[in-house]
Amino acid sequence: IVLTQSPGTLSLSPGERATVSCRASQSVSYNYLAWYQQKPGQAPRLLMYRGSTRATGIPDRFSGSGSGTDFTLTISRLEPEDFAVYYCQHYGNPPRTFGQGTKVEIK
Amino acid sequence: QVQLQESGPGLLKPSEALSLTCIVSGVSITSDYWTWIRQPPGKELEWIGYIHSNGNTNYNPPLKDRVTISVDTSRSQLSLRLSSVTAADTAIYYCVKGGGYYTDWGHGTLVTVSS
Repeated sequence: IVLTQSPGTLSLSPGERATVSCRASQSVSYNYLAWYQQKPGQAPRLLMYRGSTRATGIPDRFSGSGSGTDFTLTISRLEPEDFAVYYCQHYGNPPRTFGQGTKVEIK
Repeated sequence: QVQLQESGPGLLKPSEALSLTCIVSGVSITSDYWTWIRQPPGKELEWIGYIHSNGNTNYNPPLKDRVTISVDTSRSQLSLRLSSVTAADTAIYYCVKGGGYYTDWGHGTLVTVSS
């Protein structure tokens, strides 16, 4: 499954809403779609799994939605620590694949 | 608390074999899946493959002919071997707990392939 994220870069100000899209080349079974946040020099951190379930410790300003081939990660109000790169990943039948990433940068 | 610590050579020449190890602590290495993921500098994440503690493996097709993942339960250690490396294998290599979505990651180890 090929995952295509859009946009490539999102320029926003703190307090604004961020919306990241992830489109799959074929339907993702059981919504086996995860989202990660990665900051420079760090390993990725799991944000969401099963499309819309927040991982442990993830604030509720992060939400996930979607099904089939179209998924969305939304950050309701950007905090300074949210400026990072975000990746989607499917974990249905192998091989697992990742999107190419969306950079959320400060405007 | 799960801790994953990768280690490896850092610098390799083209055609050499890459060998990495990952020491797992804070959790039993048995009864779970363990995955290797890599990330070329400035690029996206690439899934390399996984192993279950029972020995079951699955590899990314483009790498399948060159990669071997193994687990040593007695040492609580995960290993990755990638043969015949080229510059395209230059990346940060991460050891990760899980076979589906990934909650625990190592810090990663940078491997550079250069003559």
